[in-house]
Amino acid sequence: DAGVIQSPRHEVTEMGQEVTLRCKPISGHNSLFWYRQTMMRGLELLIYFNNNVPIDDSGMPEDRFSAKMPNASFSTLKIQPSEPRDSAVYFCASSSRGGQTEQFFGPGTRLTVL
Amino acid sequence: GNSVTQMEGPVTLSEEAFLTINCTYTATGYPSLFWYVQYPGEGLQLLLKATKADDKGSNKGFEATYRKETTSFHLEKGSVQVSDSAVYFCALRNPLSGYALNFGKGTSLLVTP
Repeated sequence: DAGVIQSPRHEVTEMGQEVTLRCKPISGHNSLFWYRQTMMRGLELLIYFNNNVPIDDSGMPEDRFSAKMPNASFSTLKIQPSEPRDSAVYFCASSSRGGQTEQFFGPGTRLTVL
Repeated sequence: GNSVTQMEGPVTLSEEAFLTINCTYTATGYPSLFWYVQYPGEGLQLLLKATKADDKGSNKGFEATYRKETTSFHLEKGSVQVSDSAVYFCALRNPLSGYALNFGKGTSLLVTP
């Protein structure tokens, strides 16, 4: 069974450009989480969805960040416009039972904004 | 609020040495506690967990005991291998705050032959 799939694995872009990160959760999981990992701040939750509905977006840094989950098998995290301080590894994770069970992580997207 | 504090790395050990990575937490109520491991270039994998006080989680020779009196969840292994080289994250999930994980900063472990 495939795990959590993220694309792209690596993204290099220039400041001001729009960036879209994609995630496909494990089939049957109804909770999806986006985390960001940086050296300075470690792993931080950005947003999580339950049954495709955003439940907690308090970790989204600012209006430049937006996330959607149009259906149970796909989510996007968009940054527009991107800035160098957005450079980080972005992880998507999914779990079942509304988030009560183990979270399975994808391999991450390493974003570099020049 | 919820927070997790881990010992800073990097930790360098020789193969077959004993490993301890300290983790303490702050949370209201009764959180669940986790250790995740991240191998180079990969996502995080759950290593072990404990959901209530005095529970011991164990997996692949690693152990950690949920100590509510000291708010700790230290990771131990009796004999490390080179293949254990990775970054280890302590985390908590507090149902009072939803189902997201609060992570420590991570501890890098390097095991040399």
